[in-house]
Amino acid sequence: SQTIHQWPATLVQPVGSPLSLECTVEGTSNPNLYWYRQAAGRGLQLLFYSVGIGQISSEVPQNLSASRPQDRQFILSSKKLLLSDSGFYLCAWSPGGVSPLHFGNGTRLTVT
Amino acid sequence: QQPVQSPQAVILREGEDAVINCSSSKALYSVHWYRQKHGEAPVFLMILLKGGEQKGHEKISASFNEKKQQSSLYLTASQLSYSGTYFCGTEIEWGDSGYALNFGKGTSLLVTP
Repeated sequence: SQTIHQWPATLVQPVGSPLSLECTVEGTSNPNLYWYRQAAGRGLQLLFYSVGIGQISSEVPQNLSASRPQDRQFILSSKKLLLSDSGFYLCAWSPGGVSPLHFGNGTRLTVT
Repeated sequence: QQPVQSPQAVILREGEDAVINCSSSKALYSVHWYRQKHGEAPVFLMILLKGGEQKGHEKISASFNEKKQQSSLYLTASQLSYSGTYFCGTEIEWGDSGYALNFGKGTSLLVTP
């Protein structure tokens, strides 16, 4: 069966520090991968999605970036965090086509 | 473009029914529904496809009006376990390889004893 791992579960970082969140999927190949952010009162905001290695699409301009160095690995990064980057970050995967998204357990990021 | 959900919040007593609506300003091929418990990841409930096909694994029903670009989620005889935030998602196409979902802001549902 397929599983998705996301870490860390919680993170407290000062403003201006870098960020790296990692997500890996097991038990499938060539998944579509997604990063979403959930801030209070704003629902689930799509940040990035990827259909293959090196193929990243961004939905919202921001100081975040994403990379997909391997087929089942998706990384969210920032060089300098802002207070507004605080939120609950969720990684998700789908097998492609019209199919459900499967979410990881999320990372709660607090920027202080 | 983000779909619009209504109502924003609902409080029910156990056994009562509720309807959550989702509307989009653009034509839709499919509508997805997810439920999120507090502090947890969203969990898939159902996909409704243009043409009437449904894919889901829970005893929750939904409808999809393609012409009106609307979908409704029907929660009947609510149970305490139905509490959570419900999100509808509409697709953002990305070529032939797949798509991503734009989610609404969510509807908070609380079922009380």
